[in-house]
Amino acid sequence: QQQVKQSPQSLIVQKGGISIINCAYENTAFDYFPWYQQFPGKGPALLIAIRPDVSEKKEGRFTISFNKSAKQFSLHIMDSQPGDSATYFCAASMTGTASKLTFGTGTRLQVTL
Amino acid sequence: GAVVSQHPSWVICKSGTSVKIECRSLDFQATTMFWYRQFPKQSLMLMATSNEGSKATYEQGVEKDKFLINHASLTLSTLTVTSAHPEDSSFYICSASKTGGRGQYFGPGTRLTVT
Repeated sequence: QQQVKQSPQSLIVQKGGISIINCAYENTAFDYFPWYQQFPGKGPALLIAIRPDVSEKKEGRFTISFNKSAKQFSLHIMDSQPGDSATYFCAASMTGTASKLTFGTGTRLQVTL
Repeated sequence: GAVVSQHPSWVICKSGTSVKIECRSLDFQATTMFWYRQFPKQSLMLMATSNEGSKATYEQGVEKDKFLINHASLTLSTLTVTSAHPEDSSFYICSASKTGGRGQYFGPGTRLTVT
């Protein structure tokens, strides 16, 4: 029940295309869903986050779509660029757990020219 | 901002020695800090959660006597790997959460190699 399932494991997208990464969770107590971007040899960086009271949040080229009834959320990267090539992790946390995150398994994104 | 630093960024030590890694929140106070371990091409594995002034809470399977965590102030937490062995070689990452906040802000990581 604590798991967050992430897919795909890896993704290759052409420059200018849309990258889509999906996550699903079971525990309905989760109420905060961040996405992190990690480059090789670096720590993860918070990209964008959403709470379940909204269905979509957009920041620049990055959009989170949230489906509460399906217990799924996804990251869309519009106009993907080679600089977006990184590993992306979805995560979830619940109130009262001191920000403790449950991470997905990660998606390695490669954006080709 | 929410900047977290780690020191050192990489360290090589001999088997049997101890290594200390520092994690600092530079522009905010962090009531809670977290320590993760990450193997190549894998997700982050939470090792322990530390709150300022209290003992750390370790995840199941993590040896508390081997991985000593101290959270002495609202801006500093340290992880000491005691009697390190080659199997302890890994990428160690800390993170911090702002008081009353929900997100975690990660440090740049420390690459530990035990020879």
